[in-house]
Amino acid sequence: GENVEQHPSTLSVQEGDSAVIKCTYSDSASNYFPWYKQELGKRPQLIIDIRSNVGEKKDQRIAVTLNKTAKHFSLHITETQPEDSAVYFCAARRSQGNLIFGKGTKLSVKP
Amino acid sequence: ETGVTQTPRHLVMGMTNKKSLKCEQHLGHNAMYWYKQSAKKPLELMFVYNFKEQTENNSVPSRFSPECPNSSHLFLHLHTLQPEDSALYLCASSQVGGGGQETQYFGPGTRLLVL
Repeated sequence: GENVEQHPSTLSVQEGDSAVIKCTYSDSASNYFPWYKQELGKRPQLIIDIRSNVGEKKDQRIAVTLNKTAKHFSLHITETQPEDSAVYFCAARRSQGNLIFGKGTKLSVKP
Repeated sequence: ETGVTQTPRHLVMGMTNKKSLKCEQHLGHNAMYWYKQSAKKPLELMFVYNFKEQTENNSVPSRFSPECPNSSHLFLHLHTLQPEDSALYLCASSQVGGGGQETQYFGPGTRLLVL
């Protein structure tokens, strides 16, 4: 069935460094790829998303890249701050389909 | 409160109890979802309702029974649960069709403990 693999499961970086989280998907018809951030004890919140008609999208310190040929997409966080510490989930969906989530990456940013 | 709300936020129940989780969305969306979030597992989609009609039931045991009386409210009725059903239950909503982004917005979740 449809599957989304996410790596790494945990990531620890020093404040100010960059963090990269990678996901691969199995359904070649997927065309929408959101990223959610879930802080401890809080709800998942959308931080950025990308559609299959673009290869990269940026919003301040956050960027997402998509490689449709390889069926993978990545989240890049630059100049990390302690408040970036959270669990990040990637997801993929085809038109009229449901979101398939990755297992999540726990990011720790050490001051 | 705006967005997606859920009650109760915490629930402890015995295996013989019957309880219900409630979700309400204030975003004018036409689709609502129930997810289960367990430790070290991805978000598991349980049920999907589009325009109040159930369109997805991902092999969820019958001890979980959803109800969607209108496009703003969603319930999850629980009965004779097992300890392994302990998890965070998240509700979400989105706008399906019409060329919209279909971004899903999540509620705060109900933390369920089954004893």
